[in-house]
Amino acid sequence: DAGITQSPRYKITETGRQVTLMCHQTWSHSYMFWYRQDLGHGLRLIYYSAAADITDKGEVPDGYVVSRSKTENFPLTLESATRSQTSVYFCASHGTGGGGELFFGEGSRLTVL
Amino acid sequence: AQSVTQPDIHITVSEGASLELRCNYSYGATPYLFWYVQSPGQGLQLLLKYFSGDTLVQGIKGFEAEFKRSQSSFNLRKPSVHWSDAAEYFCAVGAGNQGGKLIFGQGTELSVKP
Repeated sequence: DAGITQSPRYKITETGRQVTLMCHQTWSHSYMFWYRQDLGHGLRLIYYSAAADITDKGEVPDGYVVSRSKTENFPLTLESATRSQTSVYFCASHGTGGGGELFFGEGSRLTVL
Repeated sequence: AQSVTQPDIHITVSEGASLELRCNYSYGATPYLFWYVQSPGQGLQLLLKYFSGDTLVQGIKGFEAEFKRSQSSFNLRKPSVHWSDAAEYFCAVGAGNQGGKLIFGQGTELSVKP
C-alpha cells in the first residue's frame, strides 16, 4: 500500500541496547523527518533529511543517529538506549514544492526499561 | 524564539456544542500554519492549513480556523462537535521554504460529553 509505514509499532528494550526504528515511504518524497512525542512537549524534531545522503539535526538529536542511503527509507537508531528515550516516535515526509504539509506514519511506541 | 503555544491542555465540551481551540505562535518569518488531529494510537492527520490569502480557512470534518496576524493567533473552530471529534489537536507553524520542518504546540486534548 502507498504511504508511510513505521516498524516496529511497539518495542520494549533495555537500557544500553541498540534499537533501530524503521521508516519507509512510497511517495518518493524528498524530505523526511523524525519526531518524538512526549506528554507536555507535543512533537519535537529529532532529525530530518532533505534528500538521500543529506541529514541534519533537529531540536533534540542527542542519543540518536540517522542515515538515508535511499530516498524511501529513513531509519532512526538509538545507539545506547536510555530511559529518557521512552517515547512515541513519528516519521513524516514531505515532497518538494507545496507549503510544508507533513504526512505522518502511525508511530512507534518505544519503552526503555 | 520560534514557538507555538496552545494554552488549553484539556477541553471538555458537550456533543452538539461549539468548539474553539486556541493557538498562538511566535515566528520571525511569514508563518505557514497548520492544525493536525491525532486519534488514539494513530498518527497525525492534517485538518487544515493557512499559507496566504483569505484568513478564514476551511478544513476537513467541518473544522475552520482563522488567522489573525495582529494577535499572532490561529484558532480552530467547529460549530457543532460530534463524539467522534474526541482526539488530540496540534497547532504547528513553519516557514514553508524549510522543507516542511514544523514547530508544534503541546497539543490540546478534546473530550466530548454525550
